[in-house]
Amino acid sequence: DAKTTQPNSMESNEEEPVHLPCNHSTISGTDYIHWYRQLPSQGPEYVIHGLTSNVNNRMASLAIAEDRKSSTLILHRATLRDAAVYYCILRVYNNAGNMLTFGGGTRLMVKP
Amino acid sequence: DTAVSQTPKYLVTQMGNDKSIKCEQNLGHDTMYWYKQDSKKFLKIMFSYNNKELIINETVPNRFSPKSPDKAHLNLHINSLELGDSAVYFCASSQRTGGAYGYTFGSGTRLTVV
Repeated sequence: DAKTTQPNSMESNEEEPVHLPCNHSTISGTDYIHWYRQLPSQGPEYVIHGLTSNVNNRMASLAIAEDRKSSTLILHRATLRDAAVYYCILRVYNNAGNMLTFGGGTRLMVKP
Repeated sequence: DTAVSQTPKYLVTQMGNDKSIKCEQNLGHDTMYWYKQDSKKFLKIMFSYNNKELIINETVPNRFSPKSPDKAHLNLHINSLELGDSAVYFCASSQRTGGAYGYTFGSGTRLTVV
Protein backbone atom coordinates (compact mmCIF):
# COMPACT_ATOMS: atom_id res chain seq x y z
CA ASP A 1 0.00 0.00 0.00
CA ALA A 2 1.13 3.55 -0.69
CA LYS A 3 2.12 5.52 2.38
CA THR A 4 -0.17 7.88 4.28
CA THR A 5 0.75 10.63 6.74
CA GLN A 6 -1.47 11.61 9.65
CA PRO A 7 -0.94 13.80 12.72
CA ASN A 8 -0.15 11.74 15.81
CA SER A 9 -2.92 13.30 17.86
CA MET A 10 -5.74 15.83 17.77
CA GLU A 11 -8.11 17.32 20.29
CA SER A 12 -11.70 18.32 19.87
CA ASN A 13 -14.52 19.65 22.00
CA GLU A 14 -17.67 17.63 22.38
CA GLU A 15 -20.51 18.59 20.03
CA GLU A 16 -18.11 20.32 17.61
CA PRO A 17 -17.08 19.10 14.16
CA VAL A 18 -13.74 17.35 13.76
CA HIS A 19 -11.63 17.33 10.62
CA LEU A 20 -8.99 14.59 10.56
CA PRO A 21 -6.45 15.11 7.76
CA CYS A 22 -4.53 12.52 5.79
CA ASN A 23 -1.84 13.08 3.19
CA HIS A 24 -1.20 10.47 0.51
CA SER A 25 0.87 12.19 -2.13
CA THR A 26 1.98 8.90 -3.78
CA ILE A 27 -1.56 7.61 -4.30
CA SER A 28 -2.17 5.82 -7.59
CA GLY A 29 -5.27 5.95 -9.74
CA THR A 30 -6.61 2.63 -8.49
CA ASP A 31 -6.07 3.20 -4.75
CA TYR A 32 -9.15 3.44 -2.56
CA ILE A 33 -8.94 5.64 0.55
CA HIS A 34 -10.15 3.81 3.65
CA TRP A 35 -10.69 5.05 7.18
CA TYR A 36 -10.92 2.84 10.24
CA ARG A 37 -11.00 3.66 13.91
CA GLN A 38 -10.10 1.73 17.03
CA LEU A 39 -11.82 2.52 20.28
CA PRO A 40 -10.02 1.60 23.51
CA SER A 41 -9.90 -2.16 24.10
CA GLN A 42 -11.81 -2.93 20.90
CA GLY A 43 -11.02 -4.16 17.41
CA PRO A 44 -10.68 -1.75 14.50
CA GLU A 45 -13.96 -0.57 13.05
CA TYR A 46 -14.62 0.38 9.43
CA VAL A 47 -15.68 4.03 9.11
CA ILE A 48 -15.80 4.97 5.43
CA HIS A 49 -14.00 4.63 2.12
CA GLY A 50 -13.94 6.37 -1.25
CA LEU A 51 -12.13 6.59 -4.56
CA THR A 52 -12.60 10.03 -6.11
CA SER A 53 -15.88 11.58 -4.99
CA ASN A 54 -16.78 12.74 -1.50
CA VAL A 55 -18.68 10.14 0.49
CA ASN A 56 -21.17 10.34 3.33
CA ASN A 57 -22.50 7.67 5.66
CA ARG A 58 -24.13 7.54 9.06
CA MET A 59 -20.78 7.71 10.85
CA ALA A 60 -18.83 10.35 8.96
CA SER A 61 -18.04 12.15 5.72
CA LEU A 62 -14.97 11.73 3.57
CA ALA A 63 -13.73 14.71 1.60
CA ILE A 64 -11.20 13.84 -1.10
CA ALA A 65 -9.03 16.51 -2.70
CA GLU A 66 -9.39 16.98 -6.43
CA ASP A 67 -5.83 15.69 -7.04
CA ARG A 68 -6.48 12.85 -4.52
CA LYS A 69 -3.24 13.55 -2.72
CA SER A 70 -5.03 14.26 0.52
CA SER A 71 -8.32 13.53 2.21
CA THR A 72 -10.20 14.58 5.33
CA LEU A 73 -12.43 12.53 7.56
CA ILE A 74 -15.18 14.69 9.00
CA LEU A 75 -17.07 13.85 12.17
CA HIS A 76 -19.94 16.32 12.16
CA ARG A 77 -20.52 16.42 15.92
CA ALA A 78 -17.90 14.80 18.06
CA THR A 79 -19.06 12.84 21.07
CA LEU A 80 -17.03 11.34 23.89
CA ARG A 81 -17.59 7.96 22.25
CA ASP A 82 -15.67 9.14 19.19
CA ALA A 83 -12.41 9.22 21.17
CA ALA A 84 -10.30 6.64 19.34
CA VAL A 85 -7.31 6.13 17.05
CA TYR A 86 -8.28 6.91 13.44
CA TYR A 87 -6.39 5.23 10.62
CA CYS A 88 -6.21 6.41 7.01
CA ILE A 89 -5.21 3.56 4.67
CA LEU A 90 -4.85 3.23 0.91
CA ARG A 91 -6.09 0.01 -0.67
CA VAL A 92 -5.37 -1.18 -4.19
CA TYR A 93 -8.40 -2.23 -6.19
CA ASN A 94 -8.75 -5.91 -6.98
CA ASN A 95 -5.33 -6.99 -5.82
CA ALA A 96 -5.60 -10.37 -4.13
CA GLY A 97 -2.25 -10.02 -2.49
CA ASN A 98 -2.94 -6.64 -1.04
CA MET A 99 -3.92 -6.53 2.61
CA LEU A 100 -5.06 -3.69 4.84
CA THR A 101 -1.85 -2.25 6.32
CA PHE A 102 -2.17 0.04 9.34
CA GLY A 103 0.12 2.95 10.14
CA GLY A 104 0.27 4.88 13.39
CA GLY A 105 -3.02 6.71 12.98
CA THR A 106 -4.31 9.84 14.73
CA ARG A 107 -5.36 9.63 18.35
CA LEU A 108 -8.46 11.79 18.74
CA MET A 109 -9.22 13.11 22.19
CA VAL A 110 -12.65 14.62 22.82
CA LYS A 111 -13.11 17.04 25.68
CA PRO A 112 -16.45 17.47 27.41
CA ASP B 1 -25.64 -11.22 16.07
CA THR B 2 -21.87 -10.95 16.26
CA ALA B 3 -20.38 -10.60 12.78
CA VAL B 4 -16.81 -11.76 13.54
CA SER B 5 -16.36 -13.65 16.78
CA GLN B 6 -13.16 -14.85 18.40
CA THR B 7 -12.61 -17.27 21.24
CA PRO B 8 -11.21 -17.14 23.79
CA LYS B 9 -11.21 -13.46 24.70
CA TYR B 10 -8.31 -13.95 27.09
CA LEU B 11 -5.64 -16.65 27.03
CA VAL B 12 -2.84 -17.05 29.57
CA THR B 13 -0.35 -19.84 28.96
CA GLN B 14 3.20 -20.88 29.65
CA MET B 15 6.17 -20.65 27.35
CA GLY B 16 6.59 -23.67 25.12
CA ASN B 17 2.90 -24.56 25.01
CA ASP B 18 0.84 -24.89 21.83
CA LYS B 19 -2.43 -22.97 21.66
CA SER B 20 -5.20 -22.12 19.22
CA ILE B 21 -7.47 -19.14 18.79
CA LYS B 22 -10.74 -19.62 16.94
CA CYS B 23 -12.45 -17.18 14.60
CA GLU B 24 -15.84 -17.38 12.94
CA GLN B 25 -17.65 -14.92 10.68
CA ASN B 26 -21.32 -15.02 9.74
CA LEU B 27 -21.16 -12.34 7.05
CA GLY B 28 -20.73 -14.66 4.10
CA HIS B 29 -17.32 -13.12 3.40
CA ASP B 30 -14.87 -15.17 1.40
CA THR B 31 -11.60 -13.79 2.78
CA MET B 32 -10.36 -13.83 6.36
CA TYR B 33 -7.31 -12.36 8.09
CA TRP B 34 -5.29 -12.44 11.27
CA TYR B 35 -3.66 -9.33 12.75
CA LYS B 36 -1.36 -8.91 15.74
CA GLN B 37 -1.33 -5.79 17.91
CA ASP B 38 1.67 -5.55 20.19
CA SER B 39 2.21 -3.49 23.33
CA LYS B 40 3.13 -0.44 21.24
CA LYS B 41 -0.33 -0.66 19.64
CA PHE B 42 0.87 -1.23 16.08
CA LEU B 43 -1.46 -3.48 14.07
CA LYS B 44 0.43 -5.90 11.84
CA ILE B 45 -1.08 -8.19 9.22
CA MET B 46 -0.14 -11.84 9.68
CA PHE B 47 -2.21 -13.78 7.14
CA SER B 48 -4.77 -13.38 4.43
CA TYR B 49 -6.75 -16.48 3.44
CA ASN B 50 -9.58 -17.47 1.17
CA ASN B 51 -10.46 -20.85 -0.24
CA LYS B 52 -7.99 -20.40 -3.02
CA GLU B 53 -5.02 -18.67 -1.58
CA LEU B 54 -3.06 -18.25 1.62
CA ILE B 55 -0.85 -15.19 1.80
CA ILE B 56 1.60 -15.01 4.65
CA ASN B 57 3.39 -11.93 5.87
CA GLU B 58 7.03 -12.91 5.53
CA THR B 59 7.85 -11.63 9.01
CA VAL B 60 5.54 -14.14 10.71
CA PRO B 61 7.43 -17.07 12.31
CA ASN B 62 6.47 -20.50 11.01
CA ARG B 63 5.31 -21.38 14.53
CA PHE B 64 2.12 -19.56 13.53
CA SER B 65 -0.23 -21.33 11.15
CA PRO B 66 -3.78 -20.59 10.02
CA LYS B 67 -6.24 -23.45 9.65
CA SER B 68 -9.51 -23.02 7.81
CA PRO B 69 -12.03 -25.90 8.11
CA ASP B 70 -14.50 -23.94 5.98
CA LYS B 71 -15.15 -20.52 4.51
CA ALA B 72 -16.61 -19.14 7.74
CA HIS B 73 -13.74 -20.12 10.02
CA LEU B 74 -10.07 -19.27 10.25
CA ASN B 75 -8.29 -20.54 13.34
CA LEU B 76 -4.82 -19.52 14.42
CA HIS B 77 -2.47 -22.19 15.77
CA ILE B 78 0.67 -21.19 17.61
CA ASN B 79 3.35 -23.73 18.47
CA SER B 80 6.09 -23.41 21.08
CA LEU B 81 4.82 -20.13 22.48
CA GLU B 82 7.38 -17.47 23.37
CA LEU B 83 7.19 -14.43 25.63
CA GLY B 84 7.26 -12.16 22.58
CA ASP B 85 4.04 -13.71 21.30
CA SER B 86 2.13 -11.86 24.01
CA ALA B 87 -0.18 -9.46 22.20
CA VAL B 88 -3.77 -8.93 21.16
CA TYR B 89 -4.73 -10.94 18.09
CA PHE B 90 -7.55 -9.77 15.84
CA CYS B 91 -9.41 -11.75 13.25
CA ALA B 92 -11.07 -9.94 10.34
CA SER B 93 -13.00 -10.71 7.18
CA SER B 94 -13.91 -8.99 3.93
CA GLN B 95 -16.20 -9.78 1.03
CA ARG B 96 -13.30 -9.74 -1.39
CA THR B 97 -9.65 -8.89 -1.21
CA GLY B 98 -9.81 -5.77 -3.36
CA GLY B 99 -9.68 -2.16 -2.30
CA ALA B 100 -13.38 -1.51 -2.77
CA TYR B 101 -14.31 -3.68 0.20
CA GLY B 102 -14.09 -2.89 3.89
CA TYR B 103 -12.94 -5.22 6.63
CA THR B 104 -14.94 -6.32 9.67
CA PHE B 105 -12.87 -7.08 12.75
CA GLY B 106 -13.47 -9.24 15.78
CA SER B 107 -13.05 -7.91 19.30
CA GLY B 108 -9.66 -9.54 19.82
CA THR B 109 -7.96 -12.23 21.88
CA ARG B 110 -5.47 -11.06 24.47
CA LEU B 111 -2.70 -13.65 24.67
CA THR B 112 -0.31 -13.55 27.62
CA VAL B 113 2.66 -15.90 27.65
CA VAL B 114 4.31 -16.35 31.06
